[in-house]
Parts: sequence; structure tokens; C-alpha cells
Amino acid sequence: NIVMTQSPKSMSISVGDRVTMNCKASQNVYNNIAWYQQKPGQSPKLLIYYASNRYNGVPDRFTGSGYGTDFTLTINSVQAEDAAFYYCQRIYNSPFTFGSGTKLEIK
Amino acid sequence: QVQLKESGPGLVKPSETLSLTCTVSGFSLTSYHVSWVRQPPGKGLEWMGVIWGDGSTAYNSALKSRLSISRDTSKSQVFLKMSSLKTEDTATYYCARAGPGGFAYWGQGTLVTVSS
Repeated sequence: NIVMTQSPKSMSISVGDRVTMNCKASQNVYNNIAWYQQKPGQSPKLLIYYASNRYNGVPDRFTGSGYGTDFTLTINSVQAEDAAFYYCQRIYNSPFTFGSGTKLEIK
Repeated sequence: QVQLKESGPGLVKPSETLSLTCTVSGFSLTSYHVSWVRQPPGKGLEWMGVIWGDGSTAYNSALKSRLSISRDTSKSQVFLKMSSLKTEDTATYYCARAGPGGFAYWGQGTLVTVSS
């Protein structure tokens, strides 16, 4: 089974900073990765699919990159409303395994 | 518009079987796959299983022996049954529909507590 490892587990960033978080797959998943944002008490929201495609309505400060086993979600000029958990997920082929998440806090 | 809504008992006893329903609207179950995802309190997301548009299924290997997903296309409903419940199965259970890639549409989730 594919394991998705996210790092760091948490980070504390100031408004306006740039943040990068990582997702590593235990085997080649090509570009079959999605990223989600989840705020407390809410369902996850799709941000990025197929590694680098921004979903409808997602601000362009969110950027996904990577291929194969190593993937990155970058948020340029972080806003206060970006405080949330972020999850990566292997898509296209099951099992649709999630990573363990990165918690983004805003200072 | 696309909507998914989970329903089921909020409390289940250990060793019993959990039955949940995901009622969908705005799309056909024969055209999109629907997954179940759960999240224990304060923890991350766990993909449980999927029912594909053709009605076939695939499961998380860790849950496969206890899990069954089925559907009724005439009622636009997807069902989850999980047997031999344990306290660690306490979680919010979501159903989610595929989008252009990944899960673009999610239900609001339903909290299931396993306790005697």
C-alpha cells in the first residue's frame, strides 16, 4: 500500500509570508495527487488536483507542484483565513490514501 | 447543484454493525464514483472505500474484512456497513464525490460514537 508522508506536522507563519509544505509518496504516483484544506468543524475542500491544477474558485496564491514521489503545496502571501489543516491524497487509482496532514497556524 | 448528505445513528454499541446512508443529488451514481472517508476526533482523514460508477467497489485493506459499500441508483443513495465496531471507530463519517481530480464534493459529515 502507498503511504503518503506529510511534513512538517505543523507550522506557524505570519500574514504575508510564503509557506511551503511537503507530501512524499512511498512509490511513484506520477501526478496523481490532490491537496485539501480543512478548517475546524468543516468538511475538507479541494484546492489542487493532478498535482498542479487549481480547483474552481481557489485563490491563485495556492500553488501545487511535483511529480513522481515528491510534491509541494505553496501558499504565497498567507492570509489569516488560510489557518487550517492541509492534506495531500493519492488520486486516480485506489486506494485513495491521505497524508497525515500539516497544521498551519497564523501568528 | 451537487449535494451529498450522510445519515445514520449517532451512537452505536461496540461489536454492533454501523449502517450509514449517503443521499446524493445533482448527479448520477452511474457517472461518478463516491467514497467514504472518516475522521476520528482531533485526527486526520482516512479513506475507507469507494463505489465506482459501474458499481464495483474497492476498500482500504485495513478495513476490508469489516466493510461493505453498496448503492441504490434509483434512490440516489450509497450505503456503508461496517461490522464489529470498536471504540476506535468513533469518528465523523463523510461521503465524497469525485471531481475533475480528487474529491470535489463532500457531505457535511455525520458523527458516530461507539460506546456502550
